[in-house]
Amino acid sequence: QQQVKQSPQSLIVQKGGISIINCAYENTAFDYFPWYQQFPGKGPALLIAIRPDVSEKKEGRFTISFNKSAKQFSLHIMDSQPGDSATYFCAASMGYSSASKIIFGSGTRLSIRP
Amino acid sequence: GAGVSQSPSNKVTEKGKDVELRCDPISGHTALYWYRQSLGQGLEFLIYFQGNSAPDKSGLPSDRFSAERTGGSVSTLTIQRTQQEDSAVYLCASSLPRLGSSDEQYFGPGTRLTVT
Repeated sequence: QQQVKQSPQSLIVQKGGISIINCAYENTAFDYFPWYQQFPGKGPALLIAIRPDVSEKKEGRFTISFNKSAKQFSLHIMDSQPGDSATYFCAASMGYSSASKIIFGSGTRLSIRP
Repeated sequence: GAGVSQSPSNKVTEKGKDVELRCDPISGHTALYWYRQSLGQGLEFLIYFQGNSAPDKSGLPSDRFSAERTGGSVSTLTIQRTQQEDSAVYLCASSLPRLGSSDEQYFGPGTRLTVT
């Protein structure tokens, strides 16, 4: 019930291409879905987030698509760059208007080939 | 401004010893979280503190793990009688939850614990 399933585990994309990472959840009580980016030796950093009452959110080259009925959401990175190479975690929480633990997906290691 | 800081950055300890990990949250943040990141287990929640409320300890894996937060600021995670399976990166995060806003958590760089 509390799990967030993420795929793929690793992804290689050519520079300029579109990177797509998919996630699915079960608990309909989740009301906040952040994506985190993590570089080696660093803590995760918030990249972009969405609430379930919105189907899409775009910030620069990063877009979250959200399908509430299917309980799925995805991250799209347009015009992928070598600097985007990192591990990406989707996540879910009940952290809107209150403190809440984050349930993380298992992570996707993204490599962008120059 | 200063982010979340953690110390030490690396800790090597012998099996059976106790360790203390420290977290300094962002000034003014009322919520503080501990997570653990290990190979094969991903990122898992351990415990969080919010203001003066009782902490949510639901993620602590055993009674060897405990945490406290003094004065609503600095937190210490203590692992007693360490085991090899405790080897992981321990991450601290802090946030300022507000009504009508998402709880954006800011992570520190982590403490890498190795139990030999």
